[in-house]
Amino acid sequence: AQTVTQSQPEMSVQEAETVTLSCTYDTSESDYYLFWYKQPPSRQMILVIRQEAYKQQNATENRFSVNFQKAAKSFSLKISDSQLGDAAMYFCAYRSASQAGTALIFGKGTTLSVSS
Amino acid sequence: DVKVTQSSRYLVKRTGEKVFLECVQDMDHENMFWYRQDPGLGLRLIYFSYDVKMKEKGDIPEGYSVSREKKERFSLILESASTNQTSMYLCASSLWGEYGHQPQHFGDGTRLSIL
Repeated sequence: AQTVTQSQPEMSVQEAETVTLSCTYDTSESDYYLFWYKQPPSRQMILVIRQEAYKQQNATENRFSVNFQKAAKSFSLKISDSQLGDAAMYFCAYRSASQAGTALIFGKGTTLSVSS
Repeated sequence: DVKVTQSSRYLVKRTGEKVFLECVQDMDHENMFWYRQDPGLGLRLIYFSYDVKMKEKGDIPEGYSVSREKKERFSLILESASTNQTSMYLCASSLWGEYGHQPQHFGDGTRLSIL
């Protein structure tokens, strides 16, 4: 069975600084998808970024980028130029590519606080 | 934008009651999911459905059932509510993506308290 581990329950960053959230996963599959979701205090989960395992190029969405290391099974999220609105809980998630209807497997989350 | 609507943001029920949590999506998504979110445990899958009247158990289905009579609606049922079912419940939906890359869209969550 696949598992997702987020080893940092809490992280903090100053406005305008850069922070990296860690995520590792365990799988025997070669093809899969990885996601980072953000859950602000308003509670709605929002997709931040996703990565296809067969792509070597790291995904980037504006200030958010990932460092995908397939051999190490690592999928970290880098937030550049942090803003107060980035404060939220961040979840790393995995989905098998072999079953398109299956659900995500989530890590336990990292709470990010941003200070001015 | 995809809209996933959960019927209640907060709900308080009593032990032993039958509880219904409703979720509706407006984007004709095939897949719908119910998760439970608890501090320190992340999100855990209760049930999911990939088509009308179809359902699959997730990681923690005990004490729950689901109903999907129409494509846009997915209901979670607590047959006889217990205090250990006090939690945040999140509904999500997604397209049936051939290669599994379709993102899930989430509702705002229902914070359920069982007294």
